[in-house]
Amino acid sequence: GIQVEQSPPDLILQEGANSTLRCNFSDSVNNLQWFHQNPWGQLINLFYIPSGTKQNGRLSATTVATERYSLLYISSSQTTDSGVYFCAVVPSGTYKYIFGTGTRLKVLA
Amino acid sequence: NAGVTQTPKFRILKIGQSMTLQCAQDMNHNYMYWYRQDPGMGLKLIYYSVGAGITDKGEVPNGYNVSRSTTEDFPLRLELAAPSQTSVYFCASSDGTSGHNEQFFGPGTRLTVL
Repeated sequence: GIQVEQSPPDLILQEGANSTLRCNFSDSVNNLQWFHQNPWGQLINLFYIPSGTKQNGRLSATTVATERYSLLYISSSQTTDSGVYFCAVVPSGTYKYIFGTGTRLKVLA
Repeated sequence: NAGVTQTPKFRILKIGQSMTLQCAQDMNHNYMYWYRQDPGMGLKLIYYSVGAGITDKGEVPNGYNVSRSTTEDFPLRLELAAPSQTSVYFCASSDGTSGHNEQFFGPGTRLTVL
């Protein structure tokens, strides 16, 4: 089955710093989402981005489906950005989302 | 709209007991999903449904059953609970039409089996 790997696994930033999170997948996909799981366990939709680039405030994402990766950019990080970031993909020909391994982010004040 | 709702929020079961986790959505979504998340890990798909009356297995279906008699509801049944089923369970839904498949998640149910 498809492999979905995220890097880095852990990241510690000082408030105000920028970061790039990466999601690599081993096969073609129809859909891709980025989520933020906050320290209380809630899953928050960040981007639905099967291809192309989107921006929402300090966050932006780019998916290059032909090269099988997606990037999540966080600029001017804040302590409220702390938590775990997941990408999830739907392999072509299926309806099932497969989640990546996650990037655990801690932003220090 | 309430979105995706799950009940209960917390539950403690004894080994061998059974229970049903409830999930409902009011967005008229076709697709619904059940995931489990073990501590410090990612989400694993248990079962999913692409419409009323249609269900299929995900990555980790053993020990669980589902049904989808209506568009709105997608209950998850645990028979003979085991400590390995201690986890947080998330339900999600997505539209699924025209290839648009953005998922929306419920708040989760934290289950402990002792």
